[in-house]
Amino acid sequence: EPEVTQTPSHQVTQMGQEVILRCVPISNHLYFYWYRQILGQKVEFLVSFYNNEISEKSEIFDDQFSVERPDGSNFTLKIRSTKLEDSAMYFCASSQLRTAKETQYFGPGTRLLVL
Amino acid sequence: KQEVTQIPAALSVPEGENLVLNCSFTDSAIYNLQWFRQDPGKGLTSLLLIQSSQREQTSGRLNASLDKSSGRSTLYIAASQPGDSATYLCAASDYGQNFVFGPGTRLSVLP
Repeated sequence: EPEVTQTPSHQVTQMGQEVILRCVPISNHLYFYWYRQILGQKVEFLVSFYNNEISEKSEIFDDQFSVERPDGSNFTLKIRSTKLEDSAMYFCASSQLRTAKETQYFGPGTRLLVL
Repeated sequence: KQEVTQIPAALSVPEGENLVLNCSFTDSAIYNLQWFRQDPGKGLTSLLLIQSSQREQTSGRLNASLDKSSGRSTLYIAASQPGDSATYLCAASDYGQNFVFGPGTRLSVLP
Protein backbone atom coordinates (compact mmCIF):
# COMPACT_ATOMS: atom_id res chain seq x y z
CA GLU A 1 0.00 0.00 0.00
CA PRO A 2 1.37 3.45 -0.88
CA GLU A 3 2.58 5.47 2.08
CA VAL A 4 4.01 8.84 2.97
CA THR A 5 7.67 8.70 3.91
CA GLN A 6 9.74 11.22 5.85
CA THR A 7 13.45 11.72 6.36
CA PRO A 8 15.28 11.91 8.63
CA SER A 9 13.45 10.06 11.36
CA HIS A 10 15.42 11.99 13.99
CA GLN A 11 17.38 15.21 13.78
CA VAL A 12 19.38 17.01 16.43
CA THR A 13 20.50 20.56 15.74
CA GLN A 14 21.92 23.57 17.50
CA MET A 15 19.77 26.61 18.13
CA GLY A 16 20.06 29.06 15.27
CA GLN A 17 20.86 26.43 12.66
CA GLU A 18 18.76 25.79 9.58
CA VAL A 19 17.04 22.44 9.16
CA ILE A 20 15.22 20.89 6.23
CA LEU A 21 12.71 18.15 6.84
CA ARG A 22 11.86 16.01 3.86
CA CYS A 23 8.71 14.20 2.86
CA VAL A 24 7.73 12.06 -0.09
CA PRO A 25 3.94 12.16 -0.40
CA ILE A 26 1.91 9.43 -2.06
CA SER A 27 2.59 9.70 -5.77
CA ASN A 28 -0.84 10.68 -7.14
CA HIS A 29 -1.69 13.04 -4.31
CA LEU A 30 -2.08 16.73 -4.97
CA TYR A 31 -2.45 18.30 -1.52
CA PHE A 32 0.31 18.36 1.02
CA TYR A 33 0.41 19.35 4.68
CA TRP A 34 2.76 19.81 7.59
CA TYR A 35 1.72 19.35 11.20
CA ARG A 36 3.76 19.34 14.37
CA GLN A 37 3.35 17.80 17.80
CA ILE A 38 5.31 19.18 20.72
CA LEU A 39 5.94 16.45 23.27
CA GLY A 40 2.84 15.87 25.37
CA GLN A 41 0.74 18.33 23.40
CA LYS A 42 -1.80 18.24 20.60
CA VAL A 43 -1.01 17.78 16.95
CA GLU A 44 -1.11 21.26 15.37
CA PHE A 45 -1.64 22.28 11.75
CA LEU A 46 1.20 24.29 10.22
CA VAL A 47 0.60 24.67 6.50
CA SER A 48 -1.14 23.24 3.47
CA PHE A 49 0.24 23.32 -0.06
CA TYR A 50 -1.33 22.84 -3.46
CA ASN A 51 -0.29 23.59 -7.01
CA ASN A 52 3.11 24.84 -5.88
CA GLU A 53 1.84 27.41 -3.46
CA ILE A 54 0.69 27.69 0.11
CA SER A 55 -3.07 27.26 0.47
CA GLU A 56 -3.32 28.03 4.15
CA LYS A 57 -1.02 28.50 7.08
CA SER A 58 -1.49 28.74 10.81
CA GLU A 59 -0.17 31.47 13.08
CA ILE A 60 2.62 29.09 14.05
CA PHE A 61 3.96 29.18 10.48
CA ASP A 62 5.87 32.43 10.68
CA ASP A 63 8.70 33.81 8.54
CA GLN A 64 11.12 31.26 9.97
CA PHE A 65 9.26 28.49 8.15
CA SER A 66 9.04 27.80 4.44
CA VAL A 67 7.83 24.93 2.30
CA GLU A 68 8.83 23.83 -1.13
CA ARG A 69 8.21 21.11 -3.67
CA PRO A 70 11.62 21.13 -5.31
CA ASP A 71 10.85 18.29 -7.70
CA GLY A 72 7.99 15.99 -8.61
CA SER A 73 8.27 13.84 -5.54
CA ASN A 74 9.67 15.69 -2.53
CA PHE A 75 7.95 18.15 -0.23
CA THR A 76 10.15 19.98 2.25
CA LEU A 77 9.76 22.06 5.37
CA LYS A 78 12.61 24.45 6.14
CA ILE A 79 13.17 26.15 9.46
CA ARG A 80 15.67 28.95 8.90
CA SER A 81 16.95 29.63 12.38
CA THR A 82 15.79 27.02 14.84
CA LYS A 83 14.67 27.89 18.34
CA LEU A 84 14.43 25.65 21.37
CA GLU A 85 10.64 25.71 21.11
CA ASP A 86 10.81 24.22 17.60
CA SER A 87 11.65 20.88 19.20
CA ALA A 88 8.75 18.63 18.21
CA MET A 89 7.64 15.77 16.03
CA TYR A 90 6.87 17.05 12.54
CA PHE A 91 4.37 15.13 10.45
CA CYS A 92 3.86 15.41 6.73
CA ALA A 93 0.52 14.40 5.23
CA SER A 94 -0.96 14.21 1.77
CA SER A 95 -4.33 13.73 0.17
CA GLN A 96 -5.42 13.15 -3.39
CA LEU A 97 -8.27 15.60 -3.39
CA ARG A 98 -9.76 18.10 -1.02
CA THR A 99 -13.24 16.74 -0.55
CA ALA A 100 -15.13 15.80 2.56
CA LYS A 101 -14.60 12.11 1.94
CA GLU A 102 -10.86 12.39 1.46
CA THR A 103 -8.51 10.98 4.05
CA GLN A 104 -5.21 12.62 4.80
CA TYR A 105 -2.40 10.10 4.97
CA PHE A 106 0.30 10.84 7.50
CA GLY A 107 3.96 9.99 7.43
CA PRO A 108 5.83 8.51 10.41
CA GLY A 109 7.22 11.88 11.45
CA THR A 110 10.60 13.50 12.02
CA ARG A 111 11.57 14.07 15.63
CA LEU A 112 13.47 17.37 15.80
CA LEU A 113 15.49 18.26 18.87
CA VAL A 114 16.95 21.75 19.11
CA LEU A 115 19.73 22.19 21.67
CA LYS B 1 -12.02 29.05 16.45
CA GLN B 2 -12.54 25.30 16.54
CA GLU B 3 -11.64 23.53 19.76
CA VAL B 4 -11.61 19.75 20.05
CA THR B 5 -11.61 17.93 23.36
CA GLN B 6 -11.54 14.25 24.21
CA ILE B 7 -12.58 12.35 27.28
CA PRO B 8 -11.37 10.39 29.03
CA ALA B 9 -7.70 11.36 28.82
CA ALA B 10 -6.74 7.79 29.65
CA LEU B 11 -8.61 4.52 29.89
CA SER B 12 -7.58 1.08 31.04
CA VAL B 13 -9.81 -1.93 30.35
CA PRO B 14 -9.50 -5.70 30.47
CA GLU B 15 -9.28 -7.56 27.19
CA GLY B 16 -12.61 -8.34 25.61
CA GLU B 17 -14.48 -5.30 26.86
CA ASN B 18 -16.42 -3.00 24.59
CA LEU B 19 -15.52 0.65 25.04
CA VAL B 20 -16.43 4.14 23.91
CA LEU B 21 -14.12 7.08 23.37
CA ASN B 22 -15.61 10.55 23.24
CA CYS B 23 -14.74 13.59 21.16
CA SER B 24 -16.36 17.02 21.34
CA PHE B 25 -15.95 19.99 19.02
CA THR B 26 -17.13 23.55 19.44
CA ASP B 27 -17.89 24.58 15.85
CA SER B 28 -20.47 22.37 14.17
CA ALA B 29 -19.53 23.69 10.70
CA ILE B 30 -17.11 20.86 10.10
CA TYR B 31 -16.24 19.32 6.77
CA ASN B 32 -15.43 15.92 8.17
CA LEU B 33 -14.15 14.27 11.31
CA GLN B 34 -11.42 11.67 11.38
CA TRP B 35 -10.28 9.25 14.05
CA PHE B 36 -6.60 8.34 14.19
CA ARG B 37 -4.49 5.92 16.13
CA GLN B 38 -1.02 6.90 17.34
CA ASP B 39 1.41 4.38 18.76
CA PRO B 40 4.16 5.73 21.05
CA GLY B 41 6.73 7.73 19.10
CA LYS B 42 5.05 6.89 15.82
CA GLY B 43 2.95 8.56 13.17
CA LEU B 44 -0.80 8.75 12.79
CA THR B 45 -2.84 5.96 11.29
CA SER B 46 -6.24 6.90 9.95
CA LEU B 47 -8.98 4.66 11.34
CA LEU B 48 -12.26 6.13 10.20
CA LEU B 49 -13.43 9.27 8.43
CA ILE B 50 -16.96 10.57 8.75
CA GLN B 51 -18.15 13.17 6.31
CA SER B 52 -20.31 15.95 7.71
CA SER B 53 -23.33 14.50 5.90
CA GLN B 54 -22.91 11.09 7.52
CA ARG B 55 -23.87 9.84 10.95
CA GLU B 56 -21.57 6.87 11.31
CA GLN B 57 -18.87 4.75 9.76
CA THR B 58 -17.79 1.21 10.53
CA SER B 59 -14.60 -0.69 9.95
CA GLY B 60 -14.24 -4.11 11.51
CA ARG B 61 -14.53 -3.79 15.28
CA LEU B 62 -14.60 0.00 15.09
CA ASN B 63 -17.66 2.19 14.75
CA ALA B 64 -17.57 5.97 14.75
CA SER B 65 -20.61 8.19 15.04
CA LEU B 66 -21.08 11.87 14.42
CA ASP B 67 -23.69 14.22 15.83
CA LYS B 68 -22.99 17.67 14.45
CA SER B 69 -25.85 19.33 16.28
CA SER B 70 -24.44 18.39 19.65
CA GLY B 71 -20.82 18.71 18.57
CA ARG B 72 -19.92 15.13 19.43
CA SER B 73 -18.36 12.06 17.94
CA THR B 74 -17.80 8.69 19.54
CA LEU B 75 -15.49 5.84 18.66
CA TYR B 76 -16.80 2.46 19.71
CA ILE B 77 -14.33 -0.41 19.94
CA ALA B 78 -15.85 -3.86 20.26
CA ALA B 79 -14.15 -6.81 21.93
CA SER B 80 -10.97 -4.88 22.74
CA GLN B 81 -7.58 -6.58 22.36
CA PRO B 82 -4.14 -5.76 23.79
CA GLY B 83 -3.08 -4.73 20.29
CA ASP B 84 -5.64 -1.91 20.48
CA SER B 85 -3.49 -0.19 23.12
CA ALA B 86 -2.53 3.20 21.70
CA THR B 87 -3.54 6.85 21.80
CA TYR B 88 -6.68 7.63 19.85
CA LEU B 89 -7.02 11.09 18.35
CA CYS B 90 -10.00 12.72 16.79
CA ALA B 91 -9.60 15.61 14.39
CA ALA B 92 -12.19 17.90 12.87
CA SER B 93 -11.56 19.63 9.59
CA ASP B 94 -13.01 22.86 8.35
CA TYR B 95 -13.71 23.62 4.71
CA GLY B 96 -10.01 24.27 4.22
CA GLN B 97 -9.46 20.61 5.14
CA ASN B 98 -7.00 21.54 7.85
CA PHE B 99 -7.43 19.37 10.86
CA VAL B 100 -7.86 20.56 14.43
CA PHE B 101 -6.85 17.73 16.70
CA GLY B 102 -8.02 16.75 20.13
CA PRO B 103 -5.52 15.86 22.86
CA GLY B 104 -6.20 12.15 22.54
CA THR B 105 -7.32 9.29 24.75
CA ARG B 106 -4.59 6.91 25.86
CA LEU B 107 -6.03 3.40 25.84
CA SER B 108 -4.52 0.40 27.59
CA VAL B 109 -6.10 -3.01 27.05
CA LEU B 110 -4.88 -5.44 29.66
CA PRO B 111 -4.49 -9.14 28.78
